[in-house]
Amino acid sequence: GAVVSQHPSWVICKSGTSVKIECRSLDFQATTMFWYRQFPKQSLMLMATSNEGSKATYEQGVEKDKFLINHASLTLSTLTVTSAHPEDSSFYICSARETDMGSRNYEQYFGPGTRLTVT
Amino acid sequence: EDQVTQSPEALRLQEGESSSLNCSYTVSGLRGLFWYRQDPGKGPEFLFTLYSAGEEKEKERLKATLTKKESFLHITAPKPEDSATYLCAVRFSNDYKLSFGAGTTVTVRA
Repeated sequence: GAVVSQHPSWVICKSGTSVKIECRSLDFQATTMFWYRQFPKQSLMLMATSNEGSKATYEQGVEKDKFLINHASLTLSTLTVTSAHPEDSSFYICSARETDMGSRNYEQYFGPGTRLTVT
Repeated sequence: EDQVTQSPEALRLQEGESSSLNCSYTVSGLRGLFWYRQDPGKGPEFLFTLYSAGEEKEKERLKATLTKKESFLHITAPKPEDSATYLCAVRFSNDYKLSFGAGTTVTVRA
């Protein structure tokens, strides 16, 4: 149980184009999903919190117009990197928290990540 | 400022050589401490959640413990397949966000 998928697993795009990354919870419903980015040999940095049916909450320093997040259903959140530049190249990872069912289930389950390379 | 610090940064072990990883935190109101394992090029894999001082969790060769200011991840008789980066994360507030430490990269030699 608690499986999260991401698509694509890797993508190469040209500078100035936009790229969409999908995050799906496969066997549970996720009211809340999170988007992280990770640079080589560094830890995860939270970019934004995605809430189903409402606007995402972005961390300080993250441009909301550049990293568009949509959480249209309880199993799907998307991250669109708009007008991508080489400095946006990174490993993007999503996580999902199972909707509360009366238990203390605060764990986040992570997707396998998406490697974005902007040329 | 709330902070999560992991030590050591890297740990090289011989197969069967038990050791411990440390995660210390400064926080005003811990709402959960989480351990994850991350293999290169992959997303973190959930291992344990600890909520209160004195709590312990075990899974195969791994055991996690929690005090009021730190957590330990004990690896007993490790095998090469235990080689990975182990991440500690702390939940400080009601909004479910996690703050991650920098990780400890463990290498187990046969």
